[in-house]
Amino acid sequence: DAKTTQPNSMESNEEEPVHLPCNHSTISGTDYIHWYRQLPSQGPEYVIHGLTSNVNNRMASLAIAEDRKSSTLILHRATLRDAAVYYCILRDPRGGADGLTFGKGTHLIIQP
Amino acid sequence: GAGVSQTPSNKVTEKGKYVELRCDPISGHTALYWYRQSLGQGPEFLIYFQGTGAADDSGLPNDRFFAVRPEGSVSTLKIQRTERGDSAVYLCASSLSREGNEQFFGPGTRLTVL
Repeated sequence: DAKTTQPNSMESNEEEPVHLPCNHSTISGTDYIHWYRQLPSQGPEYVIHGLTSNVNNRMASLAIAEDRKSSTLILHRATLRDAAVYYCILRDPRGGADGLTFGKGTHLIIQP
Repeated sequence: GAGVSQTPSNKVTEKGKYVELRCDPISGHTALYWYRQSLGQGPEFLIYFQGTGAADDSGLPNDRFFAVRPEGSVSTLKIQRTERGDSAVYLCASSLSREGNEQFFGPGTRLTVL
């Protein structure tokens, strides 16, 4: 899977929107963009995924650049419970390597 | 419904000993994954099962690590001759199928090798 680049950490205030960036300049045409998050002392949790179009679900929105070389996870109104490490991961569902390739992710800090 | 469960939650062992870590996936999920997470790092893929067979074991670090899933449900990760460097959180995940977009993770087993 192609590599992704994320900031090590970000800080935001409670009840404000949060935009978490991810760069993936070497993405291939068949790579999906997945986001997972990991709360303290828990296993990772799926957040959202997309291929080309922007996506929305109950947890977040995913904005994908037109050239697909970057994407942004948007939390519309952060709560203290959103404090976690957020991972941006590329995955080709047809590929031979079926495990997810996690980087170090972005440590999101939410201030009350 | 029940999520992915892993036992034990914590395991402390001595260098050179053998350990087994168990994963109970979500019922009906045919795909099962093992990952290892060291402190401050993201999870690292170890092995993937589709049904009973290990479809991809490219992430296993060496031949001391082995995993089985004999009936296509519960899986056991086995580590022989443990070393201090094996200390980590071992995570298990399952998904509905190989093509399933969402992997559901368990809480992990924290392994400490003294």
